[in-house]
Amino acid sequence: ELKVEQNPLFLSMQEGKNYTIYCNYSTTSDRLYWYRQDPGKSLESLFVLLSNGAVKQEGRLMASLDTKARLSTLHITAAVHDLSATYFCAVLNTDKLIFGTGTRLQVFP
Amino acid sequence: DTEVTQTPKHLVMGMTNKKSLKCEQHMGHRAMYWYKQKAKKPPELMFVYSYEKLSINESVPSRFSPECPNSSLLNLHLHALQPEDSALYLCASSQDPGDRDPGANVLTFGAGSRLTVL
Repeated sequence: ELKVEQNPLFLSMQEGKNYTIYCNYSTTSDRLYWYRQDPGKSLESLFVLLSNGAVKQEGRLMASLDTKARLSTLHITAAVHDLSATYFCAVLNTDKLIFGTGTRLQVFP
Repeated sequence: DTEVTQTPKHLVMGMTNKKSLKCEQHMGHRAMYWYKQKAKKPPELMFVYSYEKLSINESVPSRFSPECPNSSLLNLHLHALQPEDSALYLCASSQDPGDRDPGANVLTFGAGSRLTVL
């Protein structure tokens, strides 16, 4: 059974600081997705990572994928309050998109 | 139109009621999904429809009954639910689950239907 784990589960960080969220998964997959969810809202797609070594960046967020290590990272650069949300990675496995445990990010002044 | 529309946004029902959740998309997507999300937890897959046929049922109890009348609509019929079924129910769609193009598997989610079972 595919397991997708994230750490940390909760992250409180100061504006302007950098931090990395980690996503580990247990079986082989060549596609990894990152989603954002604001409180009480739906999920918004952030990144699709396709292959080993893939890196994508959008604003202050950068995602990378290491398929050999079964690890993806979401790096936050110079955090701002607007980034406060829950971030999920998700792995595609035999047509099922399985979500990670989620990382709740809180950015304070 | 790049949205997935879910109705109702909120639903309160008793354990003996029968109700339905509805989902609609007009993006030409050929796969539609139901996910269940409890508070502070990740979404859990319930059902997948691919080309209007049920392709995945994640051992969901029969009190949840999905229906896909056409490629744009997805329903979830609810009957004899339990209080522990209270959750946010998310509908999603994707372009084509069998397509190797990774963009075809990016799920677009609706805003969700928040269900409370009394």
